[in-house]
Amino acid sequence: AQKVTQAQTEISVVEKEDVTLDCVYETRDTTYYLFWYKQPPSGELVFLIRRNSFDEQNEISGRYSWNFQKSTSSFNFTITASQVVDSAVYFCALRRSSYKLIFGSGTRLLVRP
Amino acid sequence: EAGVAQSPRYKIIEKRQSVAFWCNPISGHATLYWYQQILGQGPKLLIQFQNNGVVDDSQLPKDRFSAERLKGVDSTLKIQPAKLEDSAVYLCASSTVTGGTGELFFGEGSRLTVL
Repeated sequence: AQKVTQAQTEISVVEKEDVTLDCVYETRDTTYYLFWYKQPPSGELVFLIRRNSFDEQNEISGRYSWNFQKSTSSFNFTITASQVVDSAVYFCALRRSSYKLIFGSGTRLLVRP
Repeated sequence: EAGVAQSPRYKIIEKRQSVAFWCNPISGHATLYWYQQILGQGPKLLIQFQNNGVVDDSQLPKDRFSAERLKGVDSTLKIQPAKLEDSAVYLCASSTVTGGTGELFFGEGSRLTVL
């Protein structure tokens, strides 16, 4: 069975702090894809990153970075120098090659000025 | 490029009434998805279309939910009769491919409140 766990329900930080959102997944497949989406108050899910199971190279995009570790089945997301505009709900998701995208329960991030 | 369009944005109905949601995907996207997002949870796939054929509807409560995608473009999701537990945001998404590499583009959702 496939499962995505985001144990942090809500995180509150002060602006400019670094914050890491945890994601742990379960799958028996050798080929799979991991995603992070951002859901701002408007409700639209915004795609942030996709990773396939054969690419464990960490990625950095501006203030965002992702750490993929197959050994611990984790795909964590770090925001460096957080800003108020980063406040949103963040979802980690897992997808087998041709099956549905399965989401975690989300982590609500509140960045206070 | 226009994004995924959904309407209505908000709908309030009483239980046992019916409701319909409409989705217009991004032009050229063959795959269309309807997700249900209950407050405090992650989105859950209800149905997935490839053009106008159903790929996956295993989690669609077929006794009350129905969906169609005529002509492989727009889609309508209907609930009849609605129950209190159907209160949720219904998200439509589209992608160019069905497989794992396809990024999903989401609309802003239709928020349903059942009283």
